[in-house]
Amino acid sequence: QSVLTQPPSVSAAPGQKVTISCSGSSSNINNYVSWYQQLPGTAPKLLIYDNNKRPSGIPDRFSGSKSGTSATLGITGLQTGDEADYYCGTWDNSLSAGVFGGGTKLTVL
Amino acid sequence: EVQLVESGGGLVQPGGSLKLSCAASGLTFSGSGVHWVRQASGKGLEWVGRIRSKTNSYATAYAASVKGRFTISRDDSKNTAYLQMNSLKTEDTAVYYCTDLPKGSSGLTSWGQGTLVTVSS
Repeated sequence: QSVLTQPPSVSAAPGQKVTISCSGSSSNINNYVSWYQQLPGTAPKLLIYDNNKRPSGIPDRFSGSKSGTSATLGITGLQTGDEADYYCGTWDNSLSAGVFGGGTKLTVL
Repeated sequence: EVQLVESGGGLVQPGGSLKLSCAASGLTFSGSGVHWVRQASGKGLEWVGRIRSKTNSYATAYAASVKGRFTISRDDSKNTAYLQMNSLKTEDTAVYYCTDLPKGSSGLTSWGQGTLVTVSS
């Protein structure tokens, strides 16, 4: 059972928009949240850090936001190449440990 | 950006030990924190532990599942971090990734390709 809760799967058609939620508590989501994309058979890749900042090279189709004890990853203009597992992550002050969500599998229909 | 390469994975018996290395190239390694993350086959990411930079006193932290068994260290002169794993259990079987947390960022920025650790008799 992950400290951060994500939906197991989401799906949408090419060109559409999708959002992935990450629900936690005040001991973790109050810290900066980051998001990672893991394509099949590859290492995770940083998509979003500090809640809503994109590293260089990450297209603006990817966005991050946070409200209360939840964070959200948004992806617009979906492409088949976006099919991957997506994870949220942050630091948990109560556990004094890093934590990840259980991951969300994105299918682009 | 830092490039990271893990090594040292392999097959070990339950109760055994293994030491993973994470070699970094790039000028920012010494100022970055180093985290270890693992992923069992078909499962999600699990944070294992981290070591901060010299500026932050090389402070370490560990997941409850590995605390007391795993130790993270680093040698900035060699641009290398280590994960010493003792008293290994079958549930420690996973691909282990090292990743860096650059100064001033909250995101794990660079990731290695991962090294597979299999704990089995």
